[in-house]
Amino acid sequence: GQNIDQPTEMTATEGAIVQINCTYQTSGFNGLFWYQQHAGEAPTFLSYNVLDGLEEKGRFSSFLSRSKGYSYLLLKELQMKDSASYLCAVKGAAGNKLTFGGGTRVLVKP
Amino acid sequence: DAGVIQSPRHEVTEMGQEVTLRCKPISGHDYLFWYRQTMMRGLELLIYFNNNVPIDDSGMPEDRFSAKMPNASFSTLKIQPSEPRDSAVYFCASSTGGQGLQETQYFGPGTRLLVL
Repeated sequence: GQNIDQPTEMTATEGAIVQINCTYQTSGFNGLFWYQQHAGEAPTFLSYNVLDGLEEKGRFSSFLSRSKGYSYLLLKELQMKDSASYLCAVKGAAGNKLTFGGGTRVLVKP
Repeated sequence: DAGVIQSPRHEVTEMGQEVTLRCKPISGHDYLFWYRQTMMRGLELLIYFNNNVPIDDSGMPEDRFSAKMPNASFSTLKIQPSEPRDSAVYFCASSTGGQGLQETQYFGPGTRLLVL
């Protein structure tokens, strides 16, 4: 089966850094995606990892360790507009479907 | 490109009524996905299509739910009869279905369904 775990909620201060962890146990692995979802809106793509290591994209970075079944999303220089839910999703061995974690709601305070 | 288009954006109906949700994927995308999102269960995949053919419908909750894709630019998700527990946000997403980043799914704005 597929199991993806993320913390439910995190709070951070504007300008700070927050790290959102994601652990997964899946039937095979063919990539991990991070999505951002603002309240009342659709998920939007943030980053993709398939090999071990860090992928950097402006203020956002994502890390993957396949041997540990672990990823994190790092948000730097937090802004109020970063308040949203962040969803970790894994593509398993079979087919083209993604399995999503429950999402981590990040609240950025002034 | 216009992105994934869904209609209606909001739907309020009474228990027992038929509900039809519509989706137009991004032009050129070969994969189409239907998801349901609730607070309790998060984002769940219901069914996905490749080149208009259903590939995996294991997430469809029960026989009351059906989905079709008659052509590359249109898909429907039907609930008949609807029940209050079907209340959720239903998202449609599409992707090119290549490898790696090409598998990125792009989501439509969703349909917020409330069954009374």
